[in-house]
Amino acid sequence: AQSVAQPEDQVNVAEGNPLTVKCTYSVSGNPYLFWYVQYPNRGLQFLLKYITGDNLVKGSYGFEAEFNKSQTSFHLKKPSALVSDSALYFCAVRDGMDSSYKLIFGSGTRLLVRP
Amino acid sequence: GAVVSQHPSWVICKSGTSVKIECRSLDFQATTMFWYRQFPKQSLMLMATSNEGSKATYEQGVEKDKFLINHASLTLSTLTVTSAHPEDSSFYICSGQRGFTEAFFGQGTRLTVV
Repeated sequence: AQSVAQPEDQVNVAEGNPLTVKCTYSVSGNPYLFWYVQYPNRGLQFLLKYITGDNLVKGSYGFEAEFNKSQTSFHLKKPSALVSDSALYFCAVRDGMDSSYKLIFGSGTRLLVRP
Repeated sequence: GAVVSQHPSWVICKSGTSVKIECRSLDFQATTMFWYRQFPKQSLMLMATSNEGSKATYEQGVEKDKFLINHASLTLSTLTVTSAHPEDSSFYICSGQRGFTEAFFGQGTRLTVV
């Protein structure tokens, strides 16, 4: 069965500092991994994805994530946080062999960037 | 990225009435659309998978007679909450699948049943 774990309910960071939001996953086949961001009372916005290729994936708004197969992780990172990055972040996984396209979401991590 | 438009953004209805939520892919054709429910401060719970021209596939525990899903065209799926009750109050989000790897989400609908 597929699963995603986001071990931190909230991450606090000062503006200008680097940030990391953690995500680990479990799938039986090849993982397709995604990060989404959600602002209050809004849908999800796509940040980045890993399907295949380079382990370091660059996405929107300066975010990047590194796929680590041995650690089954896909942590989201940004070198310098902005106050406007404060939002709810979701990691999601899909089994590449699953033709249903279903995404399994983590529980979400609230990022709070203080000025 | 592609655009999925969800309407209405928020709705208040009386208990016992039905509410329809629309999800449209504006610039791509979505053979598959998904409907999620999100409780406060929680993750998204997949309710059903909607395939154009066929019956929706509901997740375990989701009442198909209560949450009616129609996917009549490649750009439109609708979710109707029938005989709504206060416990149906929630944030509902749809997504449209483009190609094999891309899913685009609507802005969500806040349903409040009074």
